[in-house]
Amino acid sequence: QKEVEQNSGPLSVPEGAIASLNCTYSDRGSQSFFWYRQYSGKSPELIMSIYSNGDKEDGRFTAQLNKASQYVSLLIRDSQPSDSATYLCAARNAGKSTFGDGTTLTVKP
Amino acid sequence: ETGVTQTPRHLVMGMTNKKSLKCEQHLGHNAMYWYKQSAKKPLELMFVYSLEERVENNSVPSRFSPECPNSSHLFLHLHTLQPEDSALYLCASSQEGGLAGGPLLDNEQFFGPGTRLTVL
Repeated sequence: QKEVEQNSGPLSVPEGAIASLNCTYSDRGSQSFFWYRQYSGKSPELIMSIYSNGDKEDGRFTAQLNKASQYVSLLIRDSQPSDSATYLCAARNAGKSTFGDGTTLTVKP
Repeated sequence: ETGVTQTPRHLVMGMTNKKSLKCEQHLGHNAMYWYKQSAKKPLELMFVYSLEERVENNSVPSRFSPECPNSSHLFLHLHTLQPEDSALYLCASSQEGGLAGGPLLDNEQFFGPGTRLTVL
C-alpha cells in the first residue's frame, strides 16, 4: 500500500464544472496536508494547506480533511482550462513529507 | 530574487563528471530539502536540513552529496552518476517550528523551479 494514494487519473471535466480530487494516507501521525498544482515541466506550486478536520475554502478551491478516515480531498469549483495540471497531495509528519503520485486534471473548454 | 531559486536550470553530464546543483531561498526559512522527481514516479525526498543540520537522508546513494553552508543555501554535489539518475531535482524550503505551548506542525514547503538533469 502506498503511503499517500490519490485517485488514478486522468480526470477530465468540462469548463465550469466541479473537479473532485481525492487522497488517502496511511500514516496516522500525519498532521499537515497540502495540495500542490504542477504544470508540465514546472515545479509544484502550493495551492492549499489544511491542518484541522473539516473544510477550508480559498476562492474556487475547497480542501476537506477527515483524520478519522485518513482522507483529504480538493474541490475545484467553476473549473477553468488553466486549472489543467497534475495535482499532488502531500502529508507531513515530523519534518518528513510524503507525496502521492498525482492526479492529472484536464478541463475542456 | 524572490522565493526559491535553483541553478543551473538544465544540466547534461557524463557518468564520470562532477557537478553541483545550487539552491538559494530568499524567504527566511529555517529548513531546506532536496527532492527527486522522475517520470511516472512520485516526488522522492532525498535530504532534509533543519537549521543547517542534516536531519533526513532517505537511503540516497553516496554519489549524491548534500551541503548546507547556511540557512539560505543548499548544494547537491554529483559524481559518477548513472543514466537512471536523470530526473528533475527540486529544492524546497519551509519555516519549521510550532506555536509556543502547542503541537509542532509541519508547514508548507515552497519549491524552486528545479534542475532538469540528464546523465549520458
